[in-house]
Order: sequence, then C-alpha cells, then structure tokens
Amino acid sequence: QKEVEQNSGPLSVPEGAIASLNCTYSDRVSQSFFWYRQYSGKSPELIMSIYSNGDKEDGRFTAQLNKASQYVSLLIRDSQPSDSATYLCAVDSGYALNFGKGTSLLVTP
Amino acid sequence: EAQVTQNPRYLITVTGKKLTVTCSQNMNHEYMSWYRQDPGLGLRQIYYSMNVEVTDKGDVPEGYKVSRKEKRNFPLILESPSPNQTSLYFCASSSTRVNEQFFGPGTRLTVL
Repeated sequence: QKEVEQNSGPLSVPEGAIASLNCTYSDRVSQSFFWYRQYSGKSPELIMSIYSNGDKEDGRFTAQLNKASQYVSLLIRDSQPSDSATYLCAVDSGYALNFGKGTSLLVTP
Repeated sequence: EAQVTQNPRYLITVTGKKLTVTCSQNMNHEYMSWYRQDPGLGLRQIYYSMNVEVTDKGDVPEGYKVSRKEKRNFPLILESPSPNQTSLYFCASSSTRVNEQFFGPGTRLTVL
C-alpha cells in the first residue's frame, strides 16, 4: 500500500507567522508531488506542484522536496486568517494521486 | 472558463435506487477520476479513465460503475446504492495522469 502521511493537526499559528506543513510518502519511485488547499465543504484547490529536489517558491508559498528522505513540505509565509483550511499532500503513484488525510491549519488574528 | 462540473450537487436517495452523478470538463483533458471523501479516511480514488473507452479501478471501486464514451464526460453510476456509500464525491481531470488535477465542486450523497 502506497502511503502518504500527514499530521492531522490542527496546526495553530498567529497571523503573520510562518506555517510549516509536512508530508512523508512511502513510494520511492514517485516523481510528482502536489499540495492542495481545501476549505470546509469545498473541493480541493491546487496551490503548488513540485517535481525536483529542492525548493519551489510561488508568492507566499514554498514547497520543499527531498526524495532521499521521502519528504515534502509546504511553508506559508505571512500567514493570514484566510489561509485557515485543510492542506492535502498528494503524491503520484503511477496511475493515480495518493492523498494524505490532510493537515488542518488555523491562523489566529 | 475552464472548469469541471458535477451534477447534482446534493442528492438524498434510498437504498437500492439506481443513480448517476454526471461529470463534465471543458479543458480537453485526457485523464479523469472519481474520488470519495469521508471523515478520517481522506480522499480515496474510486475509478479513473486514461482516455475514451479506457477505464480502470481505483482503491475503492466496489458498488460503482463508470463509463467514458466521450472525452469530456465521465459519469459515476451507483446501480444499487447502500448507506455506506453516503459520502462527498469529487470528479477531477488533468491533461495527463501525472499533471495537476482539477476538481469539480463535489456531490454530497446521502443514501437512507
């Protein structure tokens, strides 16, 4: 079974702080990694994709990938209350995306 | 506007009454997929389709059927729904299997 693990949280950070979300995966041959944001009752929305080791930055978001450690993370700088949501890590497993169960993030004003 | 649409958005039905949830995308994507999302279990893939007339089982296919007769449409069929199929269902599409998937708005199904 190809697993994607995330801490369920909730992760609580104050407004303006950096939120750090982590994800580990079991399938060593995975090549594509994604972070989705999901507000309660809504559909997942893609916010970042990363395919190579290292960092990828997009605005306030930075994705980090370490294939040797089978670890991918998402940093959210200058966190805003509107960032409060569940963040899903997804890993390509060949013919499907395997999703973690998500980390709930709460940004407090 | 590029989008994935699903209908209906909400459905309450009874055990055994066949139903179909439609999914349509206007992005000319080859890959389409159905997921269900349940509290504590996350998103689980039901079926996927690599292209027209090409479908395969995901992790939880029991009790579901799909078809892909046109590139844009990928309906999910529950021939005899049961209460354990009460869930939030999402359709998704992407240009290829490894690319970013775009999700529809979801269908909340309740089977009594």
